[in-house]
Amino acid sequence: DTGVSQDPRHKITKRGQNVTFRCDPISEHNRLYWYRQTLGQGPEFLTYFQNEAQLEKSRLLSDRFSAERPKGSFSTLEIQRTEQGDSAMYLCASSLQQAYYGYTFGSGTRLTVV
Amino acid sequence: GQQLNQSPQSMFIQEGEDVSMNCTSSSIFNTWLWYKQDPGEGPVLLIALYKAGELTSNGRLTAQFGITRKDSFLNISASIPSDVGIYFCAGQNNYGQNFVFGPGTRLSVLP
Repeated sequence: DTGVSQDPRHKITKRGQNVTFRCDPISEHNRLYWYRQTLGQGPEFLTYFQNEAQLEKSRLLSDRFSAERPKGSFSTLEIQRTEQGDSAMYLCASSLQQAYYGYTFGSGTRLTVV
Repeated sequence: GQQLNQSPQSMFIQEGEDVSMNCTSSSIFNTWLWYKQDPGEGPVLLIALYKAGELTSNGRLTAQFGITRKDSFLNISASIPSDVGIYFCAGQNNYGQNFVFGPGTRLSVLP
């Protein structure tokens, strides 16, 4: 197992375009999380899945954001009609249920909206 | 929502010095985690704490779960250049709930 993988590592897009990020969690982890991190801040929770079910969404997740985890394995995060304020590092993490041992994070996708 | 505060915001130390940083909350937490993040990478878990008063070490790192359950502390002894990075605390109210992260302490180590 190579840990949590995120793709792409970097994405530059023009304002108004749609972008999609992918996350492959650790295979035996049934929970998958998306966090957003802006410069100088800690990670902020966006949403999480237990298997294929999306169990919680932050109010930070506007209606332009959608996340899926169709078969309980990999997940995608899509941002429609990107805005400059969406520029951030998008972090994916996974854990066993209850997250007793904390999360394992991926290396993140750095999004820049120009 | 819940917020964590970390102190100091940043620190510059000489190689070989010991470092102390803390994390405070207005809420009680059942679990505290400490992570380190290098530039352009995701956070990496350093230490997990599960019980008030608990003291846990990982090499040169030692962390404590505060007695009040509203704070946690991280110490690094004999700092080295690779300790440079941002250190985040994260707290969890109840098992299974999401972790809330602090804003981080940025550590710079001068040779």
